[in-house]
This record gives sequence, structure tokens and C-alpha cells, in this order.
Amino acid sequence: EVQLVESGGGLVQPGGSLRLSCVASGFTSSRQWMNWVRQAPGKGLEWVANIKQDGIEKYYVDSVKGRFTISRDNARNSAYLQMDSLRVEDTAVYYCATLTYSWDLDKWGQGTLVTVSS
Amino acid sequence: QSALIQPRSVSGSPGQSVTISCTGTSSDIGASTFVSWYQHHPGQAPRLIIYNVFKWPSGVPDRFSGSKSGNTASLTISGLQAEDEADYYCCSYTGRYTLVFGGGTKLTVL
Repeated sequence: EVQLVESGGGLVQPGGSLRLSCVASGFTSSRQWMNWVRQAPGKGLEWVANIKQDGIEKYYVDSVKGRFTISRDNARNSAYLQMDSLRVEDTAVYYCATLTYSWDLDKWGQGTLVTVSS
Repeated sequence: QSALIQPRSVSGSPGQSVTISCTGTSSDIGASTFVSWYQHHPGQAPRLIIYNVFKWPSGVPDRFSGSKSGNTASLTISGLQAEDEADYYCCSYTGRYTLVFGGGTKLTVL
């Protein structure tokens, strides 16, 4: 079964850090760009970051540049999102998703909730 | 990068058709064939339903159709069914290795 499973969410204080993980199974994730997309409470989907197959090219939405770092470990079929200097507005469900050559997100995980609050 | 503009809500009765618009700019939708649509039932993973403006992924019924004119993309759902009630999001490649989503449209099946 093709699956993406996120983990690592939780409650953190403003200014704190959290590391999200995404493990792929049932397919070879190393062949695809990996992405993180988030949904804040009551809001829509927001693309956050992506990383190319080689793990070198990485891109971010402006609001997280300098604070979030995306990485991957192809040997472990995994992708990660290191989130530092967290803000209240980073509170959201974070989804990982795979990108096709047509720049669409064809596989999604169920998401992990990150709550930034004092 | 500003979010693409979608109506906040649309509604229709079973069997009817509804169309959801998605307006961007000449830098995203207007410049790209990489426009996709996602169905999102709360609490579940989003689901790709249209890619490359009008193509269907395997398993998606052809009641869902996509199109584009200028800076505006559209999703039409024909023969509405109760299970179509969900949030729908458009998404476009921006040309700079990034993506931008629309604000989302809540579809209510009356």
C-alpha cells in the first residue's frame, strides 16, 4: 500500500523548535520531490517547502525562510522539516506530499498537528 | 506570492453541476499548464482530482473536469453527489520551483 506517514507534531512554545518526519512506504520516494503543505485552523492549504530528489535544491515559502529547513534521507524513504523560531501563526496541520513532473501533489499523508502556544 | 483567489463557498443540489473558479496572475496560472485541483474532506488527506489543467488521475470520475482561460482556472463538478461535499483547492506552479494554492472553496450539496 502506498503511504506517507507524518510524525513529530506537538505543542511547543513560541520561539521553540520541532522536527517533523515523513516516512514513505509502498513506493520509491527517492524518485520524487518531497513537499510540506500546512493548513492553519480554519484556513486553507499553504505550500511550505520542497526538496529535489538529490536533496540539494530546496525551496520555501517566504514566511518560513530562515526558520524552517527541509531535508531528506533517501535510504530511509524519509523527509523532514526542521522548524525553528516557531511563531503562533505556524500553528497548523502539516502534511507531506510527493510532487510529480507535472508539478502536482499526487500522494499525501494524513498530517501531523503543530501547536505553537504559550 | 499571494494566494490564488477562489469563491469561499458554492452549493448545488444532487445531480446538478457547479463550477469553482480560481483566479491568479500572468505569473502563475496565466503562464503555466501546471494547474491542479484537490478535494479535501476535513480530517482526511487532500486528494488530487485534476492535474495539468484538465487531466484526471487514475480513479477520479470524469464528473470532475478542469479548464483554463487566461489567468483563471475552473473546476466543474457534474452530476453532484452527496460525497462531493468537501473543500476544493486549486494550485499552480509559480515558475520558481514553488507552488501556490487558492484560498479554498467549500462545496455544499443541498
